[in-house]
Order: sequence, then structure tokens, then C-alpha cells
Amino acid sequence: NAGVTQTPKFRVLKTGQSMTLLCAQDMNHEYMYWYRQDPGMGLRLIHYSVGEGTTAKGEVPDGYNVSRLKKQNFLLGLESAAPSQTSVYFCASTPAGATDTQYFGPGTRLTVL
Amino acid sequence: DQQVKQNSPSLSVQEGRISILNCDYTNSMFDYFLWYKKYPAEGPTFLISISSIKDKNEDGRFTVFLNKSAKHLSLHIVPSQPGDSAVYFCAASAIGDKLIFGTGTRLQVFP
Repeated sequence: NAGVTQTPKFRVLKTGQSMTLLCAQDMNHEYMYWYRQDPGMGLRLIHYSVGEGTTAKGEVPDGYNVSRLKKQNFLLGLESAAPSQTSVYFCASTPAGATDTQYFGPGTRLTVL
Repeated sequence: DQQVKQNSPSLSVQEGRISILNCDYTNSMFDYFLWYKKYPAEGPTFLISISSIKDKNEDGRFTVFLNKSAKHLSLHIVPSQPGDSAVYFCAASAIGDKLIFGTGTRLQVFP
């Protein structure tokens, strides 16, 4: 099993450009999450999903959109990138009922110039 | 307002000695606490957890202590090894709610 994978690993964008980060998990987990990690800020939840077709806002959702069309995939979109969105993005998943122990992907490092 | 705080951004410990990483929280509704370990260029991985009905949980070299009255938990690593060098995040959640992560402590274990 690959676990949780993220595509791409690195990306550089110009202000105003858009992009989509892809998260895929092969563990048949119900719940999926998108976090961002910034120096001195820890991991902050952007959006999450408790099942196919459902999404919800986390702590820092502004400027991001998500979609969960398939159970195994969770997409994070930036419609108009801003330098404040320069960060490392992590996707995570858990089985339903085990929301605490999360399995993380390797991360995507995004730079917005 | 940071509900989960790790006030020491870094810690340096000699190999073989004890590493103690601390974490404080403010939300009395938190009932489950976890520690995650993160190596560079990798995602965090689960290390150890404790529920609020316990005050100690041990797994090999790793022990987590919970002091509910002080709203404080700590992770002890004994003996520390160079491979333990990583960033450690504590996290907490209330029943049915999302995980809240601390800011992390970078541990360096030197020979």
C-alpha cells in the first residue's frame, strides 16, 4: 500500500495563478484533511471531508476550495494564489471513528511569488 | 488563540540521556492527546497517545505523561538516540472534534 500520496511535491506559482493539489489514499479511509504548516504556527486545518461528496471548513479556509468526488481523492484548489499561501501543505486521512490518529502524506511545498 | 502550546521551539540532548518535550493546552474539553514525529521532507507520523482517563502511557522508549489539573502533557524519550532527531508535534482533541496541533519542538540528539 502506498498510504497517502500527494501531487505535486513542489510547485512555484506567480501571484494570481491557480492550481490544484491532489491527495490520494488507498486505505479506504472515510475522513480526509488538508493542513498547512508554517514556521512557528504548527499544523493548521484548512478543510476536511467526512465522506465522499462532503466537505467542511477548518481553521484557515479562506482562499482555498476543496472537492471529494471520490472516496480515495481529496483535492485542494487555489483559485488566485497569494504570497501568504506560500507554505507546506499536508494531506491526512483516518478511518471513520478514529479521527484522532491521522495518516499524513509527504507534503507539497508551494511557493507563491 | 493557540489552544495547544509548545513553548520550547528547540531542544538539544546528548545521546543516551533523557529528552523531555512539553506541551500545554487551554481547552478543558480536550480528552485525547497525541504526539507526532516529523522528519524533514516527510509528513508527520503518529508516535504515541493518551486519553484523559490515564495519566501515563508507555511504548518502548517513549512515555507520555498527562497532568489534567495543570493542563500539561510531556513526552519522555529514554534513552535518546540520534534517530530521534526530528520535530515533535503534540495534538489534542475533544470527543468527536478535530485535532488541534501545537507549534512543534525540534529535537536534536547529538553523540
